[in-house]
Amino acid sequence: EAQVTQNPRYLITVTGKKLTVTCSQNMNHEYMSWYRQDPGLGLRQIYYSMNVEVTDKGDVPEGYKVSRKEKRNFPLILESPSPNQTSLYFCASSPWWGSSYNEQFFGPGTRLTVL
Amino acid sequence: QKEVEQDPGPLSVPEGAIVSLNCTYSNSAFQYFMWYRQYSRKGPELLMYTYSSGNKEDGRFTAQVDKSSKYISLFIRDSQPSDSATYLCAKAAGNKLTFGGGTRVLVKP
Repeated sequence: EAQVTQNPRYLITVTGKKLTVTCSQNMNHEYMSWYRQDPGLGLRQIYYSMNVEVTDKGDVPEGYKVSRKEKRNFPLILESPSPNQTSLYFCASSPWWGSSYNEQFFGPGTRLTVL
Repeated sequence: QKEVEQDPGPLSVPEGAIVSLNCTYSNSAFQYFMWYRQYSRKGPELLMYTYSSGNKEDGRFTAQVDKSSKYISLFIRDSQPSDSATYLCAKAAGNKLTFGGGTRVLVKP
């Protein structure tokens, strides 16, 4: 089944404790992205990657890191989480992102709580 | 001002009614307009997308874009309880998607 998977689905942690949220897609997509979703604010892009070893900042990159060492994986790293990073996180992928629109496929989400 | 504005709702309608959802956007340098549907505890999934002004139909769903007034709409005919979800409008240009805040819709049997 073609899908985007994320792990963990739920995570409660404490301020300052480094964590990684994994994202993997099995559709051989070039483009991958991370979003956070907060009430009333919709989805906001954190980082995106257009291909292996190519990443760039989205609208709200502060406090996050990413890497793209393999085409299928795009982990999100919080080096020192803070309570304002409590949110619902989504990973997404699409075949290619150029002048034409390509549908983005979203993972099931990771609910993160930072105490 | 947000780039894409959307009434958060909730919008409650009886089964069989027409659901009307709207968004406004503030930057005209965008090419594509989309509607995503998000069920509770799930990721968003693409419902429809359109490029030009005018209407686009897909079954019970109609997407409408008016670029002159920067207005995008989604109509759901013969609404069903299974249509209960949050609907997110979005605009895209190149490699950037900008979402509205989402409207929660509840279709009552």
